[in-house]
Amino acid sequence: TQLLEQSPQFLSIQEGENLTVYCNSSSVFSSLQWYRQEPGEGPVLLVTVVTGGEVKKLKRLTFQFGDARKDSSLHITAAQPGDTGLYLCAGAAIDYKLSFGAGTTVTVRA
Amino acid sequence: EAQVTQNPRYLITVTGKKLTVTCSQNMNHEYMSWYRQDPGLGLRQIYYSMNVEVTDKGDVPEGYKVSRKEKRNFPLILESPSPNQTSLYFCASSLLGTGARDYNEQFFGPGTRLTVL
Repeated sequence: TQLLEQSPQFLSIQEGENLTVYCNSSSVFSSLQWYRQEPGEGPVLLVTVVTGGEVKKLKRLTFQFGDARKDSSLHITAAQPGDTGLYLCAGAAIDYKLSFGAGTTVTVRA
Repeated sequence: EAQVTQNPRYLITVTGKKLTVTCSQNMNHEYMSWYRQDPGLGLRQIYYSMNVEVTDKGDVPEGYKVSRKEKRNFPLILESPSPNQTSLYFCASSLLGTGARDYNEQFFGPGTRLTVL
């Protein structure tokens, strides 16, 4: 059983459309990280959210941390083919232990 | 360039033949970790180390060994590989104890794809 549940597992959209990926847990985390992984490479950190209710923006990507610090979402506006990849969320406990979600595979068609 | 390197990148071996996957980082990070990635299961931690000579089990340590004799290196050892250890392996490192930013943000290596026949 995953400590962090990501949904959907797969997402395929047309270029220019918006998408949202969800990361949910019953546990409280001290921080929540989002990574993107491209084929043949290791995950790369996109953002860390720390405070309940926090919203961070990275160009067309918007990350939100739930008020109770148990869930998070990633919203991509006007998706582009370069956004294609596996998106992973990871929750950090107070003892530094990280728990990863299973990931959401995003495909943006040109 | 700051990076985590792993070798080899690809490895096909047979059941029972001992192997070592090397991992090295040049960022002076205290924390290093090994993960395996399997379809539908995400990244699962095998072992981690918070400093030299300090290692601890992660979520799936069975069948693996590690050592941390130097700060920069953290090899993963499979003494007697079995087919269920066929997977994609990632080494990662992070900087701990940096005041407010103790979030264990991971820098990942490029991965090692291991097939055990």
